[in-house]
Amino acid sequence: NAGVMQNPRHLVRRRGQEARLRCSPMKGHSHVYWYRQLPEEGLKFMVYLQKENIIDESGMPKERFSAEFPKEGPSILRIQQVVRGDSAAYFCASSPPAGEKLFFGSGTQLSVL
Amino acid sequence: GQNIDQPTEMTATEGAIVQINCTYQTSGFNGLFWYQQHAGEAPTFLSYNVLDGLEEKGRFSSFLSRSKGYSYLLLKELQMKDSASYLCAVREYYGQNFVFGPGTRLSVLP
Repeated sequence: NAGVMQNPRHLVRRRGQEARLRCSPMKGHSHVYWYRQLPEEGLKFMVYLQKENIIDESGMPKERFSAEFPKEGPSILRIQQVVRGDSAAYFCASSPPAGEKLFFGSGTQLSVL
Repeated sequence: GQNIDQPTEMTATEGAIVQINCTYQTSGFNGLFWYQQHAGEAPTFLSYNVLDGLEEKGRFSSFLSRSKGYSYLLLKELQMKDSASYLCAVREYYGQNFVFGPGTRLSVLP
């Protein structure tokens, strides 16, 4: 049973470009969470999605950031017109519908030049 | 709103016992979680408490007091590989998001 899969593992973008981060939850998991982590800091909640629905996006910046979890395929976190301050590790986690805990992917390290 | 607090850093000696505290203030409560995260890696689940009391799992134990908004993670017989960050997280209601504290960076010295 594969775990939570995130890709790419590392992503380098220049300022102004778009970044697309992908997350495939564990089999049977319908809930996906995205978190951002800066060096030496904790995990900052961004967005919580179920299939085709955004449940809570209170942690998402109002501009340039969007997330989706389509009926088919992985969840996508999209950052438009990236800036240096977007450089961080982005972790995806999933849980089953009645889950007690989150299972994390290995993260995507985004570097903006 | 939510507020979760942990010490930033702790240091302990190999073979010793260390207790990492976590205090929280939330409008509702549906479980407290502890995760371990080694540098550059994904967080991994350690323990889950939803009722008051102590949950023991090998060298690791976690305690919860809901009335005090307080939890601790107890690590016994420390090993060098236990050097990592320990993240306390609270889930407010069933199906709601998990809010993480700032993490405690533990260094185990020989």
